[in-house]
Amino acid sequence: RKEVEQDPGPFNVPEGATVAFNCTYSNSASQSFFWYRQDCRKEPKLLMSVYSSGNEDGRFTAQLNRASQYISLLIRDSKLSDSATYLCVVNGKGNTGKLIFGQGTTLQVKP
Amino acid sequence: SAVISQKPSRDICQRGTSLTIQCQVDSQVTMMFWYRQQPGQSLTLIATANQGSEATYESGFVIDKFPISRPNLTFSTLTVSNLSPEDSSIYLCSAKPRHANTEAFFGQGTRLTVV
Repeated sequence: RKEVEQDPGPFNVPEGATVAFNCTYSNSASQSFFWYRQDCRKEPKLLMSVYSSGNEDGRFTAQLNRASQYISLLIRDSKLSDSATYLCVVNGKGNTGKLIFGQGTTLQVKP
Repeated sequence: SAVISQKPSRDICQRGTSLTIQCQVDSQVTMMFWYRQQPGQSLTLIATANQGSEATYESGFVIDKFPISRPNLTFSTLTVSNLSPEDSSIYLCSAKPRHANTEAFFGQGTRLTVV
């Protein structure tokens, strides 16, 4: 089993749609969770951290379910510029600072 | 946040040669890492670059193939040795400016093609 699993997609949605991505992780001791965005041929960039109580940043909402070891990202009112790959990221075992990346979910927002 | 400069941005190398990638961070950081991203795949951690000591390699990666240096808190190099076409990939430097469980920042990546 992969340490971090995501549905690779692609998700093809029209502008204005709401889309949700899910991610599961295997290490129950993980403490830090993130969503990164990666545009084609670019480096990953932090989209948002994921907190236990859930958090929102504009059109983006992240949720964490520790009991199910599950993370989600909800994007409302999709824009063309949201087209990218979204990477679910979890800190690795131990306090080493290592990050473990899911394979990413590709989103294509169409006009 | 941290600004990370990575170079070269791309290179085409002959089989059997080596490529050294440099990573410079604009502030002192606690941790630096090297990742590989093969075409269509996510990021795989190669190693943690430790300041003043040998890097810590992940399973499947060895020092002879991927020697790493980190002479100070703001600079690291990754060498990909004895290149083969299977080494064609994007290599990314990453840094964490604070304690272990914060987010990481990335360099722009080095796109390596081995011919």
